[in-house]
Amino acid sequence: VVMTQTPLSSPVTLGQPASISCRSSQSLVHSDGNTYLGWLHQRPGQPPRLLIYRISNRVSGVPDRFSGSGAGSDFTLRISRVEAEDVGVYYCTQSTQFPTFGQGTRLEIK
Amino acid sequence: EVQLVQSGAEVKKPGESLKISCKTSGYRFTSYWIGWVRQMPGKGLEWMGIIYPGDSDTRYSPSFQGQVTISADKSISTAYLHWNSLKASDTAMYYCARNGGTQWGQGTLVTVSS
Repeated sequence: VVMTQTPLSSPVTLGQPASISCRSSQSLVHSDGNTYLGWLHQRPGQPPRLLIYRISNRVSGVPDRFSGSGAGSDFTLRISRVEAEDVGVYYCTQSTQFPTFGQGTRLEIK
Repeated sequence: EVQLVQSGAEVKKPGESLKISCKTSGYRFTSYWIGWVRQMPGKGLEWMGIIYPGDSDTRYSPSFQGQVTISADKSISTAYLHWNSLKASDTAMYYCARNGGTQWGQGTLVTVSS
């Protein structure tokens, strides 16, 4: 499954919203009815960290300014108000089939 | 608390073999897929392969099939990534992660240079 993210780079002003799109080459709905689409954040020099799982479920401790939405093969990660600690690279990932990642979207502050 | 603790950084020569490890704790190792992710310098994440330690079912990305071997030792809740013959292009950071990306190891930097 090929995951395509847009944009690849996103300069954002602090306090403003940001949005990242992720599209899969085929539906991510599993035979068990779940959609195994997640969002990860990676800061320089650190391992990735899961933010969102199964499209829209925030991992414990993730601020509520992060939200995920979508269905089928079209998904979006939104940050309602960007903070300085949000910089880094965001990846979508699917595990409905053999797992794959999107190319990554670099979020930077203007 | 779930933890994935990887072995330390390695510096190797082309043609040498290498096995790196990922010791897990805090969950039932045999009940969840776990795999390895490559991140080349300045690049994105790539799943290399995954293993289900309960029955050793192992699956590889086509890009890595035949290039590496993934294994697991249930008795010590540890997953492994093995190369028979390293190449300079294997220089990268390698992460172990539970399928779905729920938990990650800290990464093992592998440098292959003559």
